[in-house]
Amino acid sequence: EPEVTQTPSHQVTQMGQEVILRCVPISNHLYFYWYRQILGQKVEFLVSFYNNEISEKSEIFDDQFSVERPDGSNFTLKIRSTKLEDSAMYFCASRTGWSSLEAFFGQGTRLTVV
Amino acid sequence: AQTVTQSQPEMSVQEAETVTLSCTYDTSESDYYLFWYKQPPSRQMILVIRQEAYKQQNATENRFSVNFQKAAKSFSLKISDSQLGDAAMYFCAYRSARYGGATNKLIFGTGTLLAVQP
Repeated sequence: EPEVTQTPSHQVTQMGQEVILRCVPISNHLYFYWYRQILGQKVEFLVSFYNNEISEKSEIFDDQFSVERPDGSNFTLKIRSTKLEDSAMYFCASRTGWSSLEAFFGQGTRLTVV
Repeated sequence: AQTVTQSQPEMSVQEAETVTLSCTYDTSESDYYLFWYKQPPSRQMILVIRQEAYKQQNATENRFSVNFQKAAKSFSLKISDSQLGDAAMYFCAYRSARYGGATNKLIFGTGTLLAVQP
C-alpha cells in the first residue's frame, strides 16, 4: 500500500542551525502539508502546498520556515535557524485532489533542538 | 475561524466495553468534513473514520461509529468492544469543503488519551 515516507525519524540539532526535513508523498497526490505537534499538545497546521506554490500558511510558518518540492517527488521543510521552541514532531501529509477526503500522514520526524 | 474542542483529556475503558469520545466544533460553514484520527505511541496519525457534513447518516467502520449532530455541532466517536490495541490518543479534526479556497487544512482538537484496561 502506498505511504508517505519521512526522513529522518529523529533529528537532533544545535540551536541556530539549519535543518531540512524530508518527505516523499504518495506519487499521484497533488496537495501537500506540513503539521507540527509539540510534545503533549495538539497537531497544528504549518503550511499547504499545491501546484508548486504555497496555498496557505499559518502564523507559525514565519520567515524561518520554507518548503520546496525540488524534484517532483520530495517535499521538504527547511527551518533556517532553529530555536528551542521548534522542538516538536513534524508530520508531512498528502492528498490526491481537492475532492479527496483523506489526508495520508507520514510517520513523523521528531526534531530536538538543543 | 473554525475551532475544534475535545473536552475529555483522558478516558479509560475496560476491554470489551464501549466508550464514547466527545468532540464539538464551531464553524459558520455548511459544508465540511469531520474526522477522527488515532495516534498510538508510535506517533503515526491514522485515520479512523470520517463524516461528510451533507450526509445525515452516521459513518461506521467496523467497531467505530460516530454520532454526528450537525445542529449541535457535535461529533462523538463510539468504540465498541474495546481492544487493548485501541489505546491511543484520539484527535477530532475538521476540514472545510469549500472549493477554491485556501482553507483545506485540517484543524485538530487537543486530543483524548484513551486507556484500555485488561
